[in-house]
Amino acid sequence: NFMLTQPHSVSESPGKTVTISCTRSSGSIASNSVQWFQQRPGSSPTTMIYEDNRRPSGVPDRFSGSIDNSSNSASLTISGLKTEDEADYYCQSYDNNNRNWLFGGGTKLTVL
Amino acid sequence: QVQLVQSGAEVKKPGASVKVSCKVSGYTLTELSMHWVRQAPGKGLEWMGNFDPEHGGSIYAQKFQHRVTMTEDPSTDTAYMELSSLRSEDTALYYCATPVVLPALDYWGQGTLVTVSS
Repeated sequence: NFMLTQPHSVSESPGKTVTISCTRSSGSIASNSVQWFQQRPGSSPTTMIYEDNRRPSGVPDRFSGSIDNSSNSASLTISGLKTEDEADYYCQSYDNNNRNWLFGGGTKLTVL
Repeated sequence: QVQLVQSGAEVKKPGASVKVSCKVSGYTLTELSMHWVRQAPGKGLEWMGNFDPEHGGSIYAQKFQHRVTMTEDPSTDTAYMELSSLRSEDTALYYCATPVVLPALDYWGQGTLVTVSS
């Protein structure tokens, strides 16, 4: 079993770029795809990135995903920050050993 | 248009059980793999399990292994999640979610608030 660890919070100014990390505790980050979800207060989560770096239609290209084998982590990068990007972001992956899905602890993004 | 519509809020006493429903419209339930995710107040998302049609049964997170049952009624396209032996820590918003278009949880219900209080 492994865990996905995210920073509790990040903040950045409008127009800037922010990166949120998601570190896998054991096993290779490349073993299973990573998804990223955005959750605004009072709303259900929405998919922003799937299969590490693929963007669903309708998601702005300001959002991008990547994985880094050297740090065993996935990252969500948001460029040209807007106040509407202020939300909680969760990474999610899959554990082959027990067929469980799991989420990272979530990162609160503040755009100020 | 795929929609997942969940049942209304519940208030339960410790030790009781709760059964949350999730009705699918715009798609056939048997073609989906319905997942259940919960979120305690002010906390993160927690995967509880899913009904896996490819394996013909449900997969549960170890934490809930002995207390949760996920079932489906294909005749009404409704999925159910029942959690037993409720305790105060089970107070949370419970979501159903499923991959439809994407290989990811791209459709979510609106959430059902379950409050456990004596």
